[in-house]
Amino acid sequence: EPEVTQTPSHQVTQMGQEVILRCVPISNHLYFYWYRQILGQKVEFLVSFYNNEISEKSEIFDDQFSVERPDGSNFTLKIRSTKLEDSAMYFCASSFGLAGGVHYEQYFGPGTRLTVT
Amino acid sequence: GENVEQHPSTLSVQEGDSAVIKCTYSDSASNYFPWYKQELGKRPQLIIDIRSNVGEKKDQRIAVTLNKTAKHFSLHITETQPEDSAVYFCHTGGFKTIFGAGTRLFVKA
Repeated sequence: EPEVTQTPSHQVTQMGQEVILRCVPISNHLYFYWYRQILGQKVEFLVSFYNNEISEKSEIFDDQFSVERPDGSNFTLKIRSTKLEDSAMYFCASSFGLAGGVHYEQYFGPGTRLTVT
Repeated sequence: GENVEQHPSTLSVQEGDSAVIKCTYSDSASNYFPWYKQELGKRPQLIIDIRSNVGEKKDQRIAVTLNKTAKHFSLHITETQPEDSAVYFCHTGGFKTIFGAGTRLFVKA
C-alpha cells in the first residue's frame, strides 16, 4: 500500500537556524497538508496546499513558515528562523482531496521530530 | 472561527466494556467526519469516517454516529481490548482541518 514518507525522522537545530522538512505524498493525491504536534498535545493544522498554492493556513503559519512543491514528488516545509517553541513533531499528510463536494481521507506520514536548542 | 470540542479527555474502561467519545463542531458546512487513532510515538491513522449523508456507520467493533442538527458525532468502541489503548482524535474534514483535543483511552485487562 502506498505511504506518505518524511525525512528526516529527527532534526536537531539551533535557535535562529533555518530548517527544511521534506515529505513525499502519495503519488496520485492532489492535496497536501502540514501539521504539528507538541509532545502530549493535539494535532494542529498548519497549512493545506493544492495546485501549487496554499489553500488554507492557520494562525500558527506565520511569515517564518513557507511551503513548496519543488518538483513532482516532494512537498517541503521551511521554517526560516527557528524558535524554541517550534520544537514539535511535524506531520505531513496527503489526500485525494475533494470529489462531489465531499472530502477524502488524509494519509499521514511518520513525522519529523524537530528539536530546537 | 471553527471549533471542535472533544470529550472526555481521558477514558478508562475494563476490557470488554464499551467506550464512547464525542466531538461537537461549529462549522455547519462540515461534511466529512473522520476518527483517528494515534499510538504512542506513531502517526495518526484513520479508523473510521462518516459523511454527512448518513447517520451511522459500523466496522466490526467500531461505529461512528452523526447528528448534523446538533453538530456532534461520536465514536463507539465495543468489546474493548488492551490494544485499543491509544489517543483518539476527531476532526471536521476540510482544507483547514481542525482536530479535537484528543481522548486518551486506557483499556484495563
